[in-house]
Amino acid sequence: GAVVSQHPSRVICKSGTSVKIECRSLDFQATTMFWYRQFPKQSLMLMATSNEGSKATYEQGVEKDKFLINHASLTLSTLTVTSAHPEDSSFYICSAWDSQQETQYFGPGTRLLVL
Amino acid sequence: GNSVTQMEGPVTLSEEAFLTINCTYTATGYPSLFWYVQYPGEGLQLLLKATKADDKGSNKGFEATYRKETTSFHLEKGSVQVSDSAVYFCAGRAGTALIFGKGTTLSVSS
Repeated sequence: GAVVSQHPSRVICKSGTSVKIECRSLDFQATTMFWYRQFPKQSLMLMATSNEGSKATYEQGVEKDKFLINHASLTLSTLTVTSAHPEDSSFYICSAWDSQQETQYFGPGTRLLVL
Repeated sequence: GNSVTQMEGPVTLSEEAFLTINCTYTATGYPSLFWYVQYPGEGLQLLLKATKADDKGSNKGFEATYRKETTSFHLEKGSVQVSDSAVYFCAGRAGTALIFGKGTTLSVSS
């Protein structure tokens, strides 16, 4: 089946630094990828939709200047948390839309801890 | 707007018990419906899906039938195992984005 990878799986950083998370579709091309955030014991919150070759579409309440998304190729999207603060600590999950299977496949997630 | 509602947990069962997790959706039209499972500390895995009314998705002993008349997609398994302990999310597709239910935690004891 389709596989989506994320890197890193876990990151700890100091407040004020920036962190980049990569999301790759390994065996299919994805013109659309999604970034979600999940708080403990809660559902996934869609942050933004990443479109290859164009600007991301952000959900209401998500700061686009803080969460920079780049979808430079059909297999790679990156999320950069700029000037991270402790309240940005969370589990970030990406997913990629496989148009042939009409299914969204999820990465394993990245746990971010900002000290 | 589109929404997905699933039963709140946690659901606690003994091994080999029957499982039902209810899910209903509200949408314009008839979206594709999915069940995802999340094991502790991991991302979401697609469990099963159905793309049109009366479709039945099945995988690993789990089943769900897309019921148009009741706008439901309930997840069932005849005999759960300890390894099924996880959080289960019902989702509906709105455009290309997925709308998730709040998740239901299942805990199975031996």
